[in-house]
Amino acid sequence: DAGVIQSPRHEVTEMGQEVTLRCKPISGHDYLFWYRQTMMRGLELLIYFNNNVPIDDSGMPEDRFSAKMPNASFSTLKIQPSEPRDSAVYFCASSLAQTGEGFFGPGTRLTVL
Amino acid sequence: GQNIDQPTEMTATEGAIVQINCTYQTSGFNGLFWYQQHAGEAPTFLSYNVLDGLEEKGRFSSFLSRSKGYSYLLLKELQMKDSASYLCAVNTNAGKSTFGDGTTLTVKP
Repeated sequence: DAGVIQSPRHEVTEMGQEVTLRCKPISGHDYLFWYRQTMMRGLELLIYFNNNVPIDDSGMPEDRFSAKMPNASFSTLKIQPSEPRDSAVYFCASSLAQTGEGFFGPGTRLTVL
Repeated sequence: GQNIDQPTEMTATEGAIVQINCTYQTSGFNGLFWYQQHAGEAPTFLSYNVLDGLEEKGRFSSFLSRSKGYSYLLLKELQMKDSASYLCAVNTNAGKSTFGDGTTLTVKP
């Protein structure tokens, strides 16, 4: 298996633009997590899915953020409109079970100018 | 909510042993993870403890005391490549992991 795949790896955009981050989890994993990492706030859980269903989105900072998982092999995190404070590395991770080892993707480094 | 505390930075010498502590307060505890993260890379899994005691895996060991809300990661025979950030993460019954801020370990020759 290729591991968790994220795209794009780097994204530079201007304030106000829509940004869509993509993730393909490891095949067979039931859980998918979206994290954001910054120097100031560390690694924060934004939202996670179990069997494609959003379970906890309490970490989503505001309504500008939305996430979907239309099927077991694909998820998106969308920011609309983007703001400079959204600049961070966004990681997607997947795991087999609730207490399973989390496998992280390489991350998307987002810069909002 | 959850509160996870780790030292911000530690320094150790190549070949030595270092212990990185993590204390936590949480409800619905369902296990504790340790992850390693090199600069500019994604976190990678090191260990998972759900019962009290020591789990050993090569040069790395992890200990858990649920009654004390305490865990540590023990790194033996330190190598330069062990310089990284070490993240403690608490998992709850809701299937959610919350990460500490991480401990940046610097290994010196």
